[in-house]
Amino acid sequence: GAVVSQHPSRVICKSGTSVKIECRSLDFQATTMFWYRQFPKKSLMLMATSNEGSKATYEQGVEKDKFLINHASLTLSTLTVTSAHPEDSSFYICSARDTGQGYTFGSGTRLTVV
Amino acid sequence: GDSVTQMEGPVTLSEEAFLTINCTYTATGYPSLFWYVQYPGEGLQLLLKATKADDKGSNKGFEATYRKETTSFHLEKGSVQVSDSAVYFCALRLRGRRALTFGSGTRLQVQP
Repeated sequence: GAVVSQHPSRVICKSGTSVKIECRSLDFQATTMFWYRQFPKKSLMLMATSNEGSKATYEQGVEKDKFLINHASLTLSTLTVTSAHPEDSSFYICSARDTGQGYTFGSGTRLTVV
Repeated sequence: GDSVTQMEGPVTLSEEAFLTINCTYTATGYPSLFWYVQYPGEGLQLLLKATKADDKGSNKGFEATYRKETTSFHLEKGSVQVSDSAVYFCALRLRGRRALTFGSGTRLQVQP
C-alpha cells in the first residue's frame, strides 16, 4: 500500500536555529500533502496544504514566514521551522493524498527546542 | 467552524472487554467521518469510515455508525485484544475540502 516516510522522527535544536522536516511518498505521487501540528492532549491542527509546484496554502493563524513549506516534486514536501523557539516544540505530522484518494500519514516528528 | 470532540484517555481495559470511544462532531453540511489508529512508532492508519447518515463503517472487529441526529460516530469493539493498544483519532472531512479535521485522540491500553 501507499507509504509516506517522514524524517527525522525526533529532533532537538537550539533556540534561534532552523529545522527541516522531510515528508516523502515512497510508492506513489502526491500532488497534495498536508502538514499538521499536535499539542499535548489537543487535536491535530492543520497548518497548511502543500501543492506540488505552487505555493502552500496556510491555515489562519499560521505564520508562513516561520513555517516554510516547499513541495518541489511529486514525492517530496518539506517543512522548515525557521528561528525556532521553545513554543514551537510540538509533534508535526505530514499526510499525502494517495492515488486511491485516501490519506497516508507519516509517523511524525517530535521537535524540541531548547 | 467544524470540530471533533473525543473522550479523553487513556482508556484502560482488560483483554476481551467491550470498548466504546465516544466521538461527536460539529460541522456545516454532512461530512464524511473517519476513525484512524496510530500504533506506537507508526503513522496514522485508516481504520474505518462512513460517508452518509446511518452508514456503518467496520474493520478488524471495530464498528462505528454515522448518527446525524446526535452528530456522533462512536467507535466500538466487542472484545479488545492487547494488540489493539494504540491511539485512536476521530476525524471528519467536509465536502469540497481536501484536508481532515481531527479530534484530540484517545489512547487505549489493553492489559492481558
